[in-house]
Amino acid sequence: DQQVKQNSPSLSVQEGRISILNCDYTNSMFDYFLWYKKYPAEGPTFLISISSIKDKNEDGRFTVFLNKSAKHLSLHIVPSQPGDSAVYFCAASPGGGSNYKLTFGKGTLLTVNP
Amino acid sequence: GAGVSQSPSNKVTEKGKDVELRCDPISGHTALYWYRQRLGQGLEFLIYFQGNSAPDKSGLPSDRFSAERTGESVSTLTIQRTQQEDSAVYLCASSLGVGTGVGNTIYFGEGSWLTVV
Repeated sequence: DQQVKQNSPSLSVQEGRISILNCDYTNSMFDYFLWYKKYPAEGPTFLISISSIKDKNEDGRFTVFLNKSAKHLSLHIVPSQPGDSAVYFCAASPGGGSNYKLTFGKGTLLTVNP
Repeated sequence: GAGVSQSPSNKVTEKGKDVELRCDPISGHTALYWYRQRLGQGLEFLIYFQGNSAPDKSGLPSDRFSAERTGESVSTLTIQRTQQEDSAVYLCASSLGVGTGVGNTIYFGEGSWLTVV
């Protein structure tokens, strides 16, 4: 039973265009959401996060949108750069005493073509 | 180094053998996590250590898996009588504080790639 789903295994975009990566979740106890980026043979690195009390968080070229009613979040990268090519994982954690426990999606491989 | 360090980076073992994976967290980080990623899957939570509190072992898949941590430093993950389904990347992570809130980034190591043949 996957509680965090990334339905697109891969995405290809042209340099300079917008990349939109999507994520859906089923557990209504999740109240904090994160995106991690992973290059081959490296560990995941934190990219951006959002609390459930917000619907948008922006950091430079990266913006995360949260739609709680739809249990959906998305990561927008604009403009996309070739160095953004990586696997992107969506993750979520519950509130309360288990807020350290992350549940991850399977990841989306983003390829940005020059 | 400044990051989370894991060893070995790669391990091939025969089915039925025991393996031990090591993690050196970032100095001063009180929280330490183990995750694993099997092929084509997302990261799965295994275990969480926080200071001297009892660890959360709820993610360990079977009693063949165990983990220890000495104080707020090194952790070892031990898999006994390895099976082929244990083949995965085992990722260790650490953070300064508790939880995933704003300002408490979880930093991952590069992982230990385990192949059971």
